[in-house]
Amino acid sequence: DAGVTQSPTHLIKTRGQQVTLRCSPISGHKSVSWYQQVLGQGPQFIFQYYEKEERGRGNFPDRFSARQFPNYSSELNVNALLLGDSALYLCASSYDNYEQYFGPGTRLTVT
Amino acid sequence: ILNVEQSPQSLHVQEGDSTNFTCSFPSSNFYALHWYRWETAKSPEALFVMTLNGDEKKKGRISATLNTKEGYSYLYIKGSQPEDSATYLCALNNAGNMLTFGGGTRLMVKP
Repeated sequence: DAGVTQSPTHLIKTRGQQVTLRCSPISGHKSVSWYQQVLGQGPQFIFQYYEKEERGRGNFPDRFSARQFPNYSSELNVNALLLGDSALYLCASSYDNYEQYFGPGTRLTVT
Repeated sequence: ILNVEQSPQSLHVQEGDSTNFTCSFPSSNFYALHWYRWETAKSPEALFVMTLNGDEKKKGRISATLNTKEGYSYLYIKGSQPEDSATYLCALNNAGNMLTFGGGTRLMVKP
C-alpha cells in the first residue's frame, strides 16, 4: 500500500506570491493534518481535517488555509508569502486520530 | 500552549554504545505520547505510541518508558548502529486531533 504522498517535493516562490501544497492520505484514512517544520525545530501543527471538516487549527495567521476533498486528499494554501514561511511542510494521515503517518514533506523556499 | 522539551539536542556516540534521551511534557490532560524516528530526506517513522503510566514498549534494540505523573518519557537504544543515526522526535497528543512536538534529539552514531 502506498504511504502518504505529497507534491511537489520542492518549491521556490517569491515574497507576496501564493502557494498550494497537496497531500494524498493512506487509503482508508479520513483525517489529514498539516505541520510546518522550520530548521532546528520540531514540526508545528497547522490544521487538521476530518471528513472534509476542519477539526483543529494551530497558531498560524489567516494567510494559511486548507481544505479536504471528497476523496480525503487535502490542499494547504498560503497567501502573501513571507520569507519566514520557508520551511518543510509535512502532511500526516490517520485512521482514528490516534496514530499519524507522515509523508516526506514539501520543501518551500521563499526568496 | 503546551511545552514539550527534548534533551539533549544532539548526541554523538560510537557504534556499540547504548544511549538514551528524554522527552518532558506537561502531565495534565495527557492522552498519548508518540515517538518518531526521522532520517534525512525521508518521512518521520512512527516508533511507539504510549498511553498508560508505566508503559514500556520495545522494538528491536529500541525501547521507551512513560511516566505520566511526572511528565517524562525515555527512549533507549541498545548497542547503537550507524543506521540508528536520525532525529528522534517525541510528540504529545492531548486532545486526539493534534500533536505538539519537541525539538528533537539528533543522534549520530560513528562507525
